[in-house]
Amino acid sequence: KQEVTQIPAALSVPEGENLVLNCSFTDSAIYNLQWFRQDPGKGLTSLLLIQSSQREQTSGRLNASLDKSSGRSTLYIAASQPGDSATYLCAVEGPALIFGKGTTLSVSS
Amino acid sequence: GAVVSQHPSRVICKSGTSVKIECRSLDFQATTMFWYRQFPKKSLMLMATSNEGSKATYEQGVEKDKFLINHASLTLSTLTVTSAHPEDSSFYICSASEGAGNTIYFGEGSWLTVV
Repeated sequence: KQEVTQIPAALSVPEGENLVLNCSFTDSAIYNLQWFRQDPGKGLTSLLLIQSSQREQTSGRLNASLDKSSGRSTLYIAASQPGDSATYLCAVEGPALIFGKGTTLSVSS
Repeated sequence: GAVVSQHPSRVICKSGTSVKIECRSLDFQATTMFWYRQFPKKSLMLMATSNEGSKATYEQGVEKDKFLINHASLTLSTLTVTSAHPEDSSFYICSASEGAGNTIYFGEGSWLTVV
């Protein structure tokens, strides 16, 4: 059974810092990996999707990497802003999306 | 715009009653739909996978008689919480795709409060 783990569970940083969120999964037989953002009381916003054959994806200040063989992914956020404060969820697809517990990020101004 | 619509976004019901949540794919045929629930400050837990025209496949620990899932058409799946209790209060969210390996789109989620 697929298990997804995210570290750290919570992170507080001052504005402007670069940061890395980590995700690991136990079964490497995945279709793809996605990173989502969830604001309190809201639904999900898809940030980046990495196909199983890809190693990374970039969107603006976000960069996600995937090492399928080792079961790891990282989400890199450059020059963090207070608006980045949210919970970031990692999910692997195969076939359903299985989610980690998330990393709650707080960026202070 | 949204490609998966979920309704209602918020619902309050009395303990013992049943409540239905709808999940619609707006511009594609959703061969597969997934239902998740999320407790406050917790992650999303997969409840069941439904394929159009087939019985839903429930995850371990999810009561299929309590959480009835119907996926009778390629654009609509419903989750009915039967004989709801306060502990069923949660955020329920659906997702849909055209099939394995295709993009999975999420609905906006439904907040259920059982009083």
